Amino acid sequence: DAGVTQSPTHLIKTRGQHVTLRCSPISGHKSVSWYQQVLGQGPQFIFQYYEKEERGRGNFPDRFSARQFPNYSSELNVNALLLGDSALYLCASSLADRVNGYTFGSGTRLTVV
Amino acid sequence: GENVEQHPSTLSVQEGDSAVIKCTYSDSASNYFPWYKQELGKRPQLIIDIRSNVGEKKDQRIAVTLNKTAKHFSLHITETQPEDSAVYFCAATLGENTGTASKLTFGTGTRLQVTL
Repeated sequence: DAGVTQSPTHLIKTRGQHVTLRCSPISGHKSVSWYQQVLGQGPQFIFQYYEKEERGRGNFPDRFSARQFPNYSSELNVNALLLGDSALYLCASSLADRVNGYTFGSGTRLTVV
Repeated sequence: GENVEQHPSTLSVQEGDSAVIKCTYSDSASNYFPWYKQELGKRPQLIIDIRSNVGEKKDQRIAVTLNKTAKHFSLHITETQPEDSAVYFCAATLGENTGTASKLTFGTGTRLQVTL
């Protein structure tokens, strides 16, 4: 059984560019959440999607957006990249819209130069 | 919103000793408290969790205690082994309630090093 898969694993972007990160949840999981983990800190909640609807949004600017597709995979988009957006972006999936049963993907490491 | 503080930021113990990591949370409505282990370059993995209606939970060498009155919870690892070396994160959520976003608020992490 495949776990949560994220792509790409690593990415280098220039300030001002935009980026799209992708996440495929565990088969059967309908909830996908996105977290940003800056080096040396705990993950910070960005978005949660459940059944293709946004269920929650963290304290992030409008440059961050996401969506969930009919197959429950998800994309996180970040526009007008800043140096401070450099981080590990983690996707977590769960069967229902609950945090118990969260499984994290290995993340996408984004470096903004 | 919820705020989670975690101490210590680094912890070094000798193999076989016990390790204790402590967290406090601010929102008394929080009802689920998981602990994650993150090895270098890897994803966070759930190692144990506790709900607000339980005071203590054990799983082999790992235990978690919760004091709702004081709003703090702790991770206890006994008989530590080198493979326990990692960063440990506590988290809290009130997301077990219907209609609220299921988000975790994480602590800042504890780097545990188990030396031989």
